[in-house]
Amino acid sequence: EAGVAQSPRYKIIEKRQSVAFWCNPISGHATLYWYQQILGQGPKLLIQFQNNGVVDDSQLPKDRFSAERLKGVDSTLKIQPAKLEDSAVYLCASSLVPGWQINYGYTFGSGTRLTVV
Amino acid sequence: QKEVEQDPGPLSVPEGAIVSLNCTYSNSAFQYFMWYRQYSRKGPELLMYTYSSGNKEDGRFTAQVDKSSKYISLFIRDSQPSDSATYLCAMSVNTGFQKLVFGTGTRLLVSP
Repeated sequence: EAGVAQSPRYKIIEKRQSVAFWCNPISGHATLYWYQQILGQGPKLLIQFQNNGVVDDSQLPKDRFSAERLKGVDSTLKIQPAKLEDSAVYLCASSLVPGWQINYGYTFGSGTRLTVV
Repeated sequence: QKEVEQDPGPLSVPEGAIVSLNCTYSNSAFQYFMWYRQYSRKGPELLMYTYSSGNKEDGRFTAQVDKSSKYISLFIRDSQPSDSATYLCAMSVNTGFQKLVFGTGTRLLVSP
């Protein structure tokens, strides 16, 4: 089974620039998550999709962050404009059913490391 | 107060040592308790999960949950250099689905 694919692996941008990250979940996984992991911290959920609908975006800074999941498969996360505090690893995860469940897979990608200078 | 508190580390031990990693939590609604391992430049991978208070063993790893004290632990016996990673505790709470809440992670370094 192929894993969750993310690109790019690394990105360096200047503050106030925009950036986009891409995620391709495991085939058949209806639920997709974007997490932000700041250095020295645990992952924090930004947004959760069920197919192409948003289930939870309560911790997404909507003034600068946006995400979409067209056709219920791939997803993109965008930051515009970026701030220094957005420097983090952005992890995508996917699962067969919403939320964590035993035997239904909750798999993380390797992430995109963003540095804002 | 954070919902999940984790000893910050880093923790440096010699090969063969017994390692103890710990987390405390404040939300009594947490249902599942998990340990994730995260290698450098990789995503977290599920190591173990438990549901009830008590111990669960899997090879060299033992997960312990004490719901009365709101305390969970992961023990690693005969630690190996390949165990060097960041260990994240995670807990799930039912918000209509099981939502994960992570600790900050403890970085472990096992030296040969």
